[in-house]
Amino acid sequence: GAVVSQHPSRVICKSGTSVKIECRSLDFQATTMFWYRQFPKKSLMLMATSNEGSKATYEQGVEKDKFLINHASLTLSTLTVTSAHPEDSSFYICSARDPGTSLHEQFFGPGTRLTVL
Amino acid sequence: KNQVEQSPQSLIILEGKNCTLQCNYTVSPFSNLRWYKQDTGRGPVSLTIMTFSENTKSNGRYTATLDADTKQSSLHITASQLSDSASYICVVRRNTGFQKLVFGTGTRLLVSP
Repeated sequence: GAVVSQHPSRVICKSGTSVKIECRSLDFQATTMFWYRQFPKKSLMLMATSNEGSKATYEQGVEKDKFLINHASLTLSTLTVTSAHPEDSSFYICSARDPGTSLHEQFFGPGTRLTVL
Repeated sequence: KNQVEQSPQSLIILEGKNCTLQCNYTVSPFSNLRWYKQDTGRGPVSLTIMTFSENTKSNGRYTATLDADTKQSSLHITASQLSDSASYICVVRRNTGFQKLVFGTGTRLLVSP
């Protein structure tokens, strides 16, 4: 299957700082990427849908000014957690939709563990 | 309401044994159903994808079934291995313009030696 990478795999930061997470589709072009967050023992929760060249669409309850998403190319989307606080500590996972597959399959990245002190 | 429910929440089996995980959904309109395996601290990895017309699909020791009439799916794992210990997530894709995925809460499987 297609490969999606995330960087960094884990990050620890101080409260009030901003953290950028990168999501890359390595062997296909993804016009649409998705950002999820996952709390321990819970399922993935969609935060936003990122479309290349346009503004991201945020789910209800997700602050767009806090979670900045940029999808500047067909292989890269970034999520920036601005002024991070301890409650933002979570596992962030991106996925990318491969339009080349018959079912527009989504491939998930390995996730980024964010810990805000 | 679009929901995906999985059972059991957690399961412990001995290495070498078989097990079956259940998924019931109320998602509409239905596009396809996916089973993912998620290791702790990792992203989900696709096991199977089934459309409305497919009743069963296998991927090695994993066999998924789909009954679109009763809106039920199962994932059967044969001859379990220690590496099968993970969360298994049932995900249904809605056939709408936005085509969102609806996630189940997962079944946490522990294969014991």
